[in-house]
Amino acid sequence: EIVLTQSPDFQSVTPKEKVTITCRASQSIGSSLHWYQQKPDQSPKLLMKDASQSFSGVPSRLSGSGSGTDFTLTINSLEAEDAATYYCLQTRSLPWTFGQGTKVEIK
Amino acid sequence: QVQLQESGPGLVKPSETLSLTCTVAGGSINNYYWSWIRQPPGKGLEYIGYIFYSGSTNYNPSLKSRVTISVDTSKNQFSLKLKSVTAADTAVYHCARIGYGGWFLDYWGQGTLVTVSS
Repeated sequence: EIVLTQSPDFQSVTPKEKVTITCRASQSIGSSLHWYQQKPDQSPKLLMKDASQSFSGVPSRLSGSGSGTDFTLTINSLEAEDAATYYCLQTRSLPWTFGQGTKVEIK
Repeated sequence: QVQLQESGPGLVKPSETLSLTCTVAGGSINNYYWSWIRQPPGKGLEYIGYIFYSGSTNYNPSLKSRVTISVDTSKNQFSLKLKSVTAADTAVYHCARIGYGGWFLDYWGQGTLVTVSS
């Protein structure tokens, strides 16, 4: 089973700051890495598919990059609505696995 | 836009079977893969398994001996059964669609909390 490790676990950020969340895979997964945003009492929402492709309706201030074992989700100029927990998901190898999540708080 | 809605009992007794249904609206269940994901309260996400509209399945090995996912194309629904549940199976259960042409979960249901307790 592929283990995904996200860092940091928690980040407190002021509005307009840049946020960088990383996801490291225990073995190479190519670009089969996807990013989700989950707000309290809501289901996860797809942000990025295949490491760097923005999903429909996702603001342009969010971007994804990486391949192999190291991936990054970047939020440029953080807004209040970005407060959430972010998860990465790998679908290169079964069983699919998620990172443990990164909680982003607005200062 | 496709919408998914989970339904089923919110309380299940230990050793019994958890049964949930996901109803797909705004689109056909045909030609897609569909998945179940769960999330214990305050914790992360766990892949349970997926099913193709034709019926082929994949299950997480950690749950494989207890899980069955099935599909009813005539009702535009797919279902989850998890037998011999314990308190560790208490979680919000989400159904989701696997995106066309890729292996990513693009649309999710709102999730339903299932508590295992006597």
